[in-house]
Amino acid sequence: KAGVTQTPRYLIKTRGQQVTLSCSPISGHRSVSWYQQTPGQGLQFLFEYFSETQRNKGNFPGRFSGRQFSNSRSEMNVSTLELGDSALYLCASSLIYWQGEDTGELFFGEGSRLTVL
Amino acid sequence: KQEVTQIPAALSVPEGENLVLNCSFTDSAIYNLQWFRQDPGKGLTSLLLIQSSQREQTSGRLNASLDKSSGRSTLYIAASQPGDSATYLCAVLGTNSGYALNFGKGTSLLVTP
Repeated sequence: KAGVTQTPRYLIKTRGQQVTLSCSPISGHRSVSWYQQTPGQGLQFLFEYFSETQRNKGNFPGRFSGRQFSNSRSEMNVSTLELGDSALYLCASSLIYWQGEDTGELFFGEGSRLTVL
Repeated sequence: KQEVTQIPAALSVPEGENLVLNCSFTDSAIYNLQWFRQDPGKGLTSLLLIQSSQREQTSGRLNASLDKSSGRSTLYIAASQPGDSATYLCAVLGTNSGYALNFGKGTSLLVTP
């Protein structure tokens, strides 16, 4: 069974450009989350989608956006890139609709490492 | 706001030792707590998930415990091996977190032969 797949794995952009990252969840998983990991801030929540609906968004500027498609695949977009956006962007998927204690285990992809010059 | 703290930040032990990694959180209103492993430049690998109603979970040489009332979890690694060298991350899903995991900064473990 394939895991969470993220593309591209590595990319280099310059300030002011925009970038789109893609995430294919584990087959059957309907919840997709995105996290940013930096050495200084650690792992920070970006947003979570379920059935094409964004259910929550973290404390990031509006330059960070995302969407989920009907097949549960998700994309995130960062516009007007800044040097501080350099990070590892991780996608995670979960089988269960998170409700009450019956919450699902999160499975992460290998990440997309973005370098902004 | 949920704060998750992991102690120690780094740990170096000789092969064969048993070791304990600590995680504490400030808000006990949680759904679950998850332990992950991260190798350099890689994504996160889920190790153990403990639901809020559970006290512990075991997988092979790993055992994780949860004391929700005191806001603490420990990850016990038995008979450590060089292949266990990695960063270990603790993450909490709070009942008020809106589907967002709160992560600690991790413990960087080095097991020397």
